[in-house]
Amino acid sequence: DTGVSQNPRHKITKRGQNVTFRCDPISEHNRLYWYRQTLGQGPEFLTYFQNEAQLEKSRLLSDRFSAERPKGSFSTLEIQRTEQGDSAMYLCASSFLGAGVSYNEQFFGPGTRLTVL
Amino acid sequence: GDSVTQMEGPVTLSEEAFLTINCTYTATGYPSLFWYVQYPGEGLQLLLKATKADDKGSNKGFEATYRKETTSFHLEKGSVQVSDSAVYFCALSEGYSGAGSYQLTFGKGTKLSVIP
Repeated sequence: DTGVSQNPRHKITKRGQNVTFRCDPISEHNRLYWYRQTLGQGPEFLTYFQNEAQLEKSRLLSDRFSAERPKGSFSTLEIQRTEQGDSAMYLCASSFLGAGVSYNEQFFGPGTRLTVL
Repeated sequence: GDSVTQMEGPVTLSEEAFLTINCTYTATGYPSLFWYVQYPGEGLQLLLKATKADDKGSNKGFEATYRKETTSFHLEKGSVQVSDSAVYFCALSEGYSGAGSYQLTFGKGTKLSVIP
C-alpha cells in the first residue's frame, strides 16, 4: 500500500461550475477526514467518516459542499457552484481507530489544489 | 473551541543552529498534541506526538514536551540541517477511547529555511 492518494492533483475551473475530488485512503483504515488549507494557513477540518457513516458535517463550509464515502472505501468531496473563495488545497487523511486508543494518527494525501477563475 | 497558536514565520537559520518554534494551545479537555511537517511539494507528515502531560515526543532529532501547566508544546532541535527546511504545523486533537472525532486543529504553520 502506497499511502493516501488524491485525484486530481490540480483542478482549474470557472466560477459556477461543479467540481468533485476523490480520495483513496490506506486500505485498512476505517476513518477518513477532509480538510481545507488556504494560503498561509493551517489545514481546517471539514468533515469525517467512520467507515461509510458521515459522523460530522456541520463544519462543511456551506451547503454547496458535500462528501460521500459510499462503501467505506474511497471518498468524494463535491463543491457545487464554485466561487473564487473556494480556491484552496483540499486535503484528505485516513486513520485506523480502534477501541481504547488515546490518539489517532492521521495519514495525509498530497492534496488537490483547486483554482476557481 | 479548541485553538492552536504558533510562532509566526518565516524563520531563517544557519546550518547547525538551534531551533525553537513556539506553540501554545487552548482545549476543553485533554488533547493529544502533534507536530506535522510539510516539505516543499509534499504532503503533511507526522513528525512527532505526545498524548499526555509531561510526555516528550521525539523524532529525527526534533523534540517537544507536552506542558499542561503552560499549555505549550514547543518544537526544538539542537542542530538544524538544510534538509530541515519545511513548513512546521503544531496541531491538537481531542478524543478518548475511540469516541469523538479526533479531528485535528492546526496552527497557521511556521516556515523554516536553513541556509548553508
